[in-house]
This record gives sequence, structure tokens and C-alpha cells, in this order.
Amino acid sequence: DAGVIQSPRHEVTEMGQEVTLRCKPISGHNSLFWYRQTMMRGLELLIYFNNNVPIDDSGMPEDRFSAKMPNASFSTLKIQPSEPRDSAVYFCASTLSGGANQPQHFGDGTRLSIL
Amino acid sequence: AQKITQTQPGMFVQEKEAVTLDCTYDTSDPSYGLFWYKQPSSGEMIFLIYQGSYDQQNATEGRYSLNFQKARKSANLVISASQLGDSAMYFCAMSATGTASKLTFGTGTRLQVTL
Repeated sequence: DAGVIQSPRHEVTEMGQEVTLRCKPISGHNSLFWYRQTMMRGLELLIYFNNNVPIDDSGMPEDRFSAKMPNASFSTLKIQPSEPRDSAVYFCASTLSGGANQPQHFGDGTRLSIL
Repeated sequence: AQKITQTQPGMFVQEKEAVTLDCTYDTSDPSYGLFWYKQPSSGEMIFLIYQGSYDQQNATEGRYSLNFQKARKSANLVISASQLGDSAMYFCAMSATGTASKLTFGTGTRLQVTL
């Protein structure tokens, strides 16, 4: 079975550029999560969707970050304009919601470097 | 609010020995789930094991077992017969019913298996 697919795996870009990270969740999963991982702050939940609807975006750092889920099989996380402090590994995860016993399955992450 | 505490930033264990990674949690929810994830140096997040708050028996998955002590609010991961490939970061996480499987993560424990 295909797992969560993220693209790109690595992204290096200059400060001020727009960055778009993409995620395809596991087929049949109806919850999707975006995380950011840094050495200083660990794993942070940025936003999550349930049935394509954003439920909690309180973790989104600022207005430069936005996320969309136009359908059940695709989500994007966009940073515009990007800054060096946005450098991190960004993970997407999906699960079948409805109870507390469903594990989240993670993609391999996107390693983002803003120069 | 939920909180996960992992007090061991780093652990060493000899190959073939067993090791216990500590995790304590705090929640007011009556129903919740506890999870362990492994993050090797390659960066991906791998789901290992799950324990439900109402489960009577401790969860086991191959060489992984979860020592669940509800009264003490602890959910320690036990890895038996350690292998070199077990060297990684290990994260404890919890979810609560009604939160669309939103996870709260601990800060992680880095395990190093030695010869």
C-alpha cells in the first residue's frame, strides 16, 4: 500500500521566494496533519484537516503560512515570503479519524532550507 | 490540555540487551491513546506501537512492548534484544477522543545501541 507521499523531498531557495510543499495522504484517510520539526522546537503541529476542512490552524506561525486541502487526496502548505527561520523539516501525516486509537502515518518529510 | 514528558534525552544500550524508554503523560480526558514513534537518522517517522487507555493488557508488537501504568500515568516503551538498527530518536505521543486523532508529542529520547 502506498504511504503518505510528500514532495519535494528537499527544497533550497532564497529568502523572499514562495515555497509550496505538497502532500498526498493515504487513500481512505480523512484527517491530514502538517508538522514542522526543528532542533530548537521539536515537532510542532501547524494545522490539521478533517474531511478536507481545516479544524485547527493555531500552530501556523504567521500569515506567511497557508494550507489548503482542495480534495481528499491532496494538500499544500505554502510559505510566502519565505525567511531563513522557516528552515526545517516539514512532515505531512494522515489517519482515519473517529477515535483516539488511530495512529498517524507520516510521509518522509520535506527538508526545507531558506538561504 | 495534554502533556507528554520524556525525561531521558539520550540512552545507551548494548546490543542484545533490553532497554526501557520512559514516558509520562498528563490529561484530564477519560479516553485517550498512547503511541510510540521511531525516527532514524534518515528522518522518517515510523509508528511502532499503540496503547488505549481502556486496554487491560499491555500492548506488544514484536520486540516492542508498552509498559502501561495508568495510575502512574506512564507508558514506557520496552525494546527487547536491542539491535544496531534500533539506534534512533523515539517519540512518545498521545491523542484524545474527539480531537480527530490530534497528537501531542514528547521531546524524544535518542537511543544509541552499542556493540
